Amino acid sequence: SAVISQKPSRDICQRGTSLTIQCQVDSQVTMMFWYRQQPGQSLTLIATANQGSEATYESGFVIDKFPISRPNLTFSTLTVSNMSPEDSSIYLCSVSESGGNQPQHFGDGTRLSIL
Amino acid sequence: GNSVTQMEGPVTLSEEAFLTINCTYTATGYPSLFWYVQYPGEGLQLLLKATKADDKGSNKGFEATYRKETTSFHLEKGSVQVSDSAVYFCALIPFSGGYNKLIFGAGTRLAVHP
Repeated sequence: SAVISQKPSRDICQRGTSLTIQCQVDSQVTMMFWYRQQPGQSLTLIATANQGSEATYESGFVIDKFPISRPNLTFSTLTVSNMSPEDSSIYLCSVSESGGNQPQHFGDGTRLSIL
Repeated sequence: GNSVTQMEGPVTLSEEAFLTINCTYTATGYPSLFWYVQYPGEGLQLLLKATKADDKGSNKGFEATYRKETTSFHLEKGSVQVSDSAVYFCALIPFSGGYNKLIFGAGTRLAVHP
């Protein structure tokens, strides 16, 4: 399966700042996704990153807060904007090599703390 | 709608004990079912999968059988090790011919003691 690298692995940020998280895959993939995992919770899908077009956001998530880029089939970024302590979470990138009912594979995540 | 329900944790076992983590689902059509594992400080790893009724997924001594009649996909292992301590997530994709979202259960934390 694809190897997924996320950077940074963790960060501590000040309230009101923004952070961009990168997700790099070692092969071309059809689908890329971004999830949030709040402390002690399950995963919630933020959006699907679409290559060459705007991301598709889930209910409760908006582009102004979580802008996403996907310039090609192996790379995507998620920005967490104007951060507050409630944004302290693990953010995970996942990929599906062919979509449909194929499993998604995850990166190691970015552990973000907001002071 | 589509959803996944897992047994609440934490589940605490002694080494070599038998493990069952219950998972039931609600879905339209014929979903694909998955178990993922999250070790401390890491991302999620796919543990096993099943794509149709009566399929048995297995990996690293873990197994789960897709039971359509009971809408269940319980995770089992005959003899757990301390290294199995992690959070386990049951998940489904409600397949309908194209891309569909991966829907997770709440997760079950397993702690195995020597």
